[in-house]
Amino acid sequence: KAGVTQTPRYLIKTRGQQVTLSCSPISGHRSVSWYQQTPGQGLQFLFEYFSETQRNKGNFPGRFSGRQFSNSRSEMNVSTLELGDSALYLCASSFTTAGEGDEQFFGPGTRLTVL
Amino acid sequence: SQKIEQNSEALNIQEGKTATLTCNYTNYSPAYLQWYRQDPGRGPVFLLLIRENEKEKRKERLKVTFDTTLKQSLFHITASQPADSATYLCALDSGAGGSYIPTFGRGTSLIVHP
Repeated sequence: KAGVTQTPRYLIKTRGQQVTLSCSPISGHRSVSWYQQTPGQGLQFLFEYFSETQRNKGNFPGRFSGRQFSNSRSEMNVSTLELGDSALYLCASSFTTAGEGDEQFFGPGTRLTVL
Repeated sequence: SQKIEQNSEALNIQEGKTATLTCNYTNYSPAYLQWYRQDPGRGPVFLLLIRENEKEKRKERLKVTFDTTLKQSLFHITASQPADSATYLCALDSGAGGSYIPTFGRGTSLIVHP
């Protein structure tokens, strides 16, 4: 069974630009969660999508948004990039909603650098 | 909201010994607590989940305990091996009112010396 895939793996953008990251969950998984990981703040929850609906949202500004398609693939968008958005962005998939305590399978992440 | 505290200092142990990592939380007891392993440059890998009504859970060389009185979980790796060297994260739900906000600790780095 293929694991969670994320594209692109590396990205360099400049301040003010926007970026879209993609995540393909494990086949059969309906939940996709997004996280931001930085050395300063650790791993922080952005939001979770389940069956194309946003189920839960972390404490991030509205510049961070996402969506999920009918095949469970998900995209995350960050608009008006700031230097502080430089981070490793991870997505994780699970069969049921992550809130059930279901095991989350993480992808390798997208390393975003904002110059 | 919940705060999770994990020892920020790396834990150095000799091969064959038992490693014990600590995860403390500050507020209400979560419904469950999870432990993950993360290697450099890679996403976390799920290891174990323990629910609030469970005191202990085992999986091969891994053991997790959950003490809701102390607001603490301990993660043990017995007969440790150099391949166990990684950062270990604990995570719990800090949401309220039906929401789910997974909160991760900053992780503790484990270094197992041959």
